[in-house]
Amino acid sequence: GAGVSQSPRYKVTKRGQDVTLRCDPISSHATLYWYQQALGQGPEFLTYFNYEAQPDKSGLPSDRFSAERPEGSISTLTIQRTEQRDSAMYRCASSLRWDSDLGELFFGEGSRLTVL
Amino acid sequence: QKEVEQDPGPLSVPEGAIVSLNCTYSNSAFQYFMWYRQYSRKGPELLMYTYSSGNKEDGRFTAQVDKSSKYISLFIRDSQPSDSATYLCAMSPGNTPLVFGKGTRLSVIA
Repeated sequence: GAGVSQSPRYKVTKRGQDVTLRCDPISSHATLYWYQQALGQGPEFLTYFNYEAQPDKSGLPSDRFSAERPEGSISTLTIQRTEQRDSAMYRCASSLRWDSDLGELFFGEGSRLTVL
Repeated sequence: QKEVEQDPGPLSVPEGAIVSLNCTYSNSAFQYFMWYRQYSRKGPELLMYTYSSGNKEDGRFTAQVDKSSKYISLFIRDSQPSDSATYLCAMSPGNTPLVFGKGTRLSVIA
């Protein structure tokens, strides 16, 4: 697509429910990142993919968080048994290159999650 | 101590002022330094990109990196109300994801 697309834009859920967020990156981009951004804070790294491989998931806060990108394009971030502290903006970004010469990250508009 | 420190502001300046934004960092392996601009309710957008030390200029914007002091700066000349946004510094050693600062919220008053 023309830009990084995320859905849903807003999600309100009750504590204990599972949620899945979706990211559709720019079509030619090999690398896809998930970041969590709390209000008034910078994005915090969660995980990333090079095509379908997931080299680093060190930023995932707990084993309730998981992400996948099975065909190397669209990615989902799933949070199981949501807790109030999971409330944040979840941002997806993609970049053309994944090797040592860092490419520009293109961010989506984010999915705002509120856990009641 | 976080790897990247950035004063969150807010910073309010009159139109036409020179703005100085900065970040400090602790990881000496950082080689790639970026400034992203984030308008309200939008995703961050790349503004400036610098590799290693030195200066880079693009129109009204100048990015400076001082690796010996672990300090980076962004200068905005002749600031405009349209520059009002949050400015995020970000950096990486090169083959790991970007680490972002908290962001500095800037308001340029007409």
